[in-house]
Amino acid sequence: EDKVVQSPLSLVVHEGDTVTLNCSYEVTNFRSLLWYKQEKKAPTFLFMLTSSGIEKKSGRLSSILDKKELSSILNITATQTGDSAIYLCAALTGGGNKLTFGTGTQLKVEL
Amino acid sequence: GAVVSQHPSWVICKSGTSVKIECRSLDFQATTMFWYRQFPKQSLMLMATSNEGSKATYEQGVEKDKFLINHASLTLSTLTVTSAHPEDSSFYICSAALGQPYEQYFGPGTRLTVT
Repeated sequence: EDKVVQSPLSLVVHEGDTVTLNCSYEVTNFRSLLWYKQEKKAPTFLFMLTSSGIEKKSGRLSSILDKKELSSILNITATQTGDSAIYLCAALTGGGNKLTFGTGTQLKVEL
Repeated sequence: GAVVSQHPSWVICKSGTSVKIECRSLDFQATTMFWYRQFPKQSLMLMATSNEGSKATYEQGVEKDKFLINHASLTLSTLTVTSAHPEDSSFYICSAALGQPYEQYFGPGTRLTVT
């Protein structure tokens, strides 16, 4: 059974802190690893990682995939209260049709 | 662009009744739509993959006779929860794939409460 695990489950930080969110996966026919941000409702797409060791960056967010370790991290620097959300990672598998989501990391950024 | 809507946003129904949830891609055509279920503090669980004009593919453990999916057009998929029970209360989210399946755009979700 495909499995995606995220850690920590939740964390609280102060504005300006840097956070690292972890995602590990055990799936068959792995294709890519995706990160999403879920605030109140629908998840919004952040990154898709297919190749190991290549960092993807968008503003204060960056992510990298380690296919040897079957894991990925999402870094957020200089956190802001607007970064408060649930961050989901998902493994895209098989023919590219299926996303298996992790349980998410709930991030809260306080003033 | 790439906006997906769901209707209704929330619904309360009585046990034994059926509820239909619509998922629409507003500004693009989606050959594939996905239905997810999310319990509180848990992740999204894929229920089924819906392809326009063909039968949906259900994930293991999802009752296809209980969760009826119809993908009648390239912009509309519906999920009908039949004979709803309190344990069906959940947050249902759809997504529509633009081109490649990994380009999934999520709808805002529907909160279903069965009393």
